[in-house]
Amino acid sequence: EAGVAQSPRYKIIEKRQSVAFWCNPISGHATLYWYQQILGQGPKLLIQFQNNGVVDDSQLPKDRFSAERLKGVDSTLKIQPAKLEDSAVYLCASSLGMASGIYGFFGPGTRLTVL
Amino acid sequence: GQQLNQSPQSMFIQEGEDVSMNCTSSSIFNTWLWYKQDPGEGPVLLIALYKAGELTSNGRLTAQFGITRKDSFLNISASIPSDVGIYFCAGQPGGTSYGKLTFGQGTILTVHP
Repeated sequence: EAGVAQSPRYKIIEKRQSVAFWCNPISGHATLYWYQQILGQGPKLLIQFQNNGVVDDSQLPKDRFSAERLKGVDSTLKIQPAKLEDSAVYLCASSLGMASGIYGFFGPGTRLTVL
Repeated sequence: GQQLNQSPQSMFIQEGEDVSMNCTSSSIFNTWLWYKQDPGEGPVLLIALYKAGELTSNGRLTAQFGITRKDSFLNISASIPSDVGIYFCAGQPGGTSYGKLTFGQGTILTVHP
């Protein structure tokens, strides 16, 4: 079974630029999560999708971050414009559903460096 | 918001030694989880705990869900070099917050052969 795929694996941009990350969850997984992991910390949930609907985005900085999951499969996370403090690893995770396998299978992450 | 305090922050041990780490919360959780993260990879689930007082093993790993539902412990017996990595606890509050995991800060484990 293929795991969660993410691209790119690494991205370096300058502050105020825009960046987008892509996630392809495990086939059949209805729930998709985006986490931000700052160096030396645990992952922090940014947004949770159930199929193509948003379940929780309370910790998403909506003034600069946006995410979508068109057709309930792949998802993209965008930052516009980026700030220095956005430097982190962005992890995507998926699970069968909110009430089963809620713990998620994580992708390898995209490491973002903002200069 | 909810916070998890994980300790110790780091551990340096000899191969063959046992390891203990714990996680405490200011809030009650319905599920406690323990993950391991290797460099350049996402976290991988090691053990999931669903009931207060539950003790669960996975090979050399044993984890417990605290009676108060505000803490959890992970033990690794007879450590080996491949145990090196960062261990995270995570809690899930349940109810309408399904899937909304709160992670601890992590415990960095180094095993000397």
